[in-house]
Order: sequence, then C-alpha cells, then structure tokens
Amino acid sequence: NAGVMQNPRHLVRRRGQEARLRCSPVKGHSHVYWYRQLPEEGLKFMVYLQKENIIDESGMPKERFSAEFPKEGPSILRIQQVVRGDSAAYFCASSPFPGQGQETQYFGPGTRLLVL
Amino acid sequence: GENVEQHPSTLSVQEGDSAVIKCTYSDSASNYFPWYKQELGKRPQLIIDIRSNVGEKKDQRIAVTLNKTAKHFSLHITETQPEDSAVYFCAASITPNTGNQFYFGTGTSLTVIP
Repeated sequence: NAGVMQNPRHLVRRRGQEARLRCSPVKGHSHVYWYRQLPEEGLKFMVYLQKENIIDESGMPKERFSAEFPKEGPSILRIQQVVRGDSAAYFCASSPFPGQGQETQYFGPGTRLLVL
Repeated sequence: GENVEQHPSTLSVQEGDSAVIKCTYSDSASNYFPWYKQELGKRPQLIIDIRSNVGEKKDQRIAVTLNKTAKHFSLHITETQPEDSAVYFCAASITPNTGNQFYFGTGTSLTVIP
C-alpha cells in the first residue's frame, strides 16, 4: 500500500513543551486510530477519529492530550506540557471503513517521542 | 473492556523448527483477530487475520487457529527462518462497531537461531 505516513519520525522535546504528531492515512481511508507503545510493551489504543469527528477517545488521557482529523489535511495528535512519562512511540493506523471485511488497520512507521 | 493476554513473552527456536504463540481474550463478542509482526524500529505489519466464523486459516508457513468456546487463538509458524525474528502481536476487535479499536497483547519476541 502507499502507506500511512507519519511525521516527524523522531521528536525530542523538553518537559513543558508541546508535541505535535501528524498522520496522513492511506489514500481513500477516512478512519484513523492512534496507539501508544511504551518500550518493551504492546500497543495501547488512544483515540479513533473519522473526518471532523472523534468517535472514541476512551484510551486518551483526559488532560494534555488532544486529537483531530480535519476535513483537509492530516490527523494530528497534540500533547501539551509534555512530561518524561510521555516518551513513547506513537503509531497511527488507518482503515477504509470498520465494517465486515474492512477491519484491517494499516500502521504508519510511528513517531518516537523523547522528552528530556 | 476486552483483555488480551499473550504467551510466551520471548521464544527462541532453531531454524527450521516451528513456533507457536498463544493468545486469550475475555470478551466473547470479539470477532476479528489480526496478528502483526513488528521488526525493530519498524511499523507493525499485518501477517494474517481470522474472523470468528472460521476456525483456522493458513497462508504458506503461517497459520492461525481460533477456539471461540475457550476464547483463545494461536499463531503457528512452520519451517522458521532467521527473517522471522521479530516481535509478534495478537489483537482482538469487535467489528463492525462504532469503536473498532484493536486490543493488543503484550507481544512475543521471537528469535530464530540459524
């Protein structure tokens, strides 16, 4: 597939700064998912978005984290006032439509965030 | 919510041997089970998936089995090769569903020894 694109691939921030992670889904996909992967751990669901709508944000911390998927442009995961515990790999995935036979999620290369 | 457990966390096999990774899930409504392979520093790549209306699926050296009654599913890799070395993740999902999130296991680090 042309692939899910994420940028930046690596991001270094100092405590208290903002981190902004971008995700462009596979062309034609209108559903985006964000997952966080801590070192040596599995992927944890954060948020599921469709164009201009947040469908499920049950996995996202209530404070400092926000996500959007505007009508035009990439999906953005924003982390305000980063802390060291935010250091992780953040993966974006996309799917055409989460219906029968369309469940597959294609993952991007991830953004590795390091908070100093 | 759904809870997926995966075992073992690490697995070493000799080249040519078989590898088996097992996962259990808690929500009987889960009906879609993908397996992803993740090489170091790379993105997770789907290698095989199975839906709950099927008990087994095979793709060349890779097979997945599902036991809905016991709520467990397994990945089988035969004739392992060094390039199979990676971390493997199982996942469970309820689809179609407004959420469609994947619940992932904690991963199995597979090492194939030449």
